[in-house]
Amino acid sequence: QVQLQESGPGLVKPSQTLSLTCTVSGGSISSGGYYWSWIRQHPGKGLEWIGYIYYSGSTYYNPSLKSRVTISVDTSKNQFSLKLSSVTAADTAVYYCARDEGGGSFVHYWGQGTLVTVSS
Amino acid sequence: QSVLTQPPSVSGAPGQRVTISCTGSSSNIGAGYDVHWYQQLPGTAPKLLIYGNSNRPSGVPDRFSGSKSGTSASLAITGLQAEDEADYYCQSYDSSLSGTKVFGGGTKLTVL
Repeated sequence: QVQLQESGPGLVKPSQTLSLTCTVSGGSISSGGYYWSWIRQHPGKGLEWIGYIYYSGSTYYNPSLKSRVTISVDTSKNQFSLKLSSVTAADTAVYYCARDEGGGSFVHYWGQGTLVTVSS
Repeated sequence: QSVLTQPPSVSGAPGQRVTISCTGSSSNIGAGYDVHWYQQLPGTAPKLLIYGNSNRPSGVPDRFSGSKSGTSASLAITGLQAEDEADYYCQSYDSSLSGTKVFGGGTKLTVL
């Protein structure tokens, strides 16, 4: 069973860059066949897909966030990461990493999520 | 405002049947893209409930079923149980604006 665990600072100052890492266990990112996603949920709100990456490094981002998002992968550590630049209070959310079937397909395995608060 | 529209809340008594709708448009559900459903219990991560419109992952009770028609999809829950009280989200793909995975706004199910 694939398990995912997010890690990173829980508090980020406005205008700075939010950085999170997802560690995958129970499966290898480099085996291919799946995409590795970041999804966020604003407090008390719905889900928003941020983007995903394939093991080869190919990335696909939500157009609404594309200018500020970078997702990268480190297959040697079986990890993938999210960077979101120029954050504001509107970026305060629970951030989930997940294993994605790709395209418009479903997200099967989710991390437990980590709350990131943007505040000075 | 979400691309996929869900009712904010639904409710039902134990043992009853409830349905949750998910309405899209010609650039997502109506374009033939699959709809998937997730259950989010309080304080936890979403869990895949239905994929590919009507398929259940292993371990999901057959009380949960999904369907799709035209620009809409529905999740049905029969034999409602107290532990079904949760938020439910639909998800599809939208081909407009360079394409993106899109979610509904979520529906809070209350078991009376």
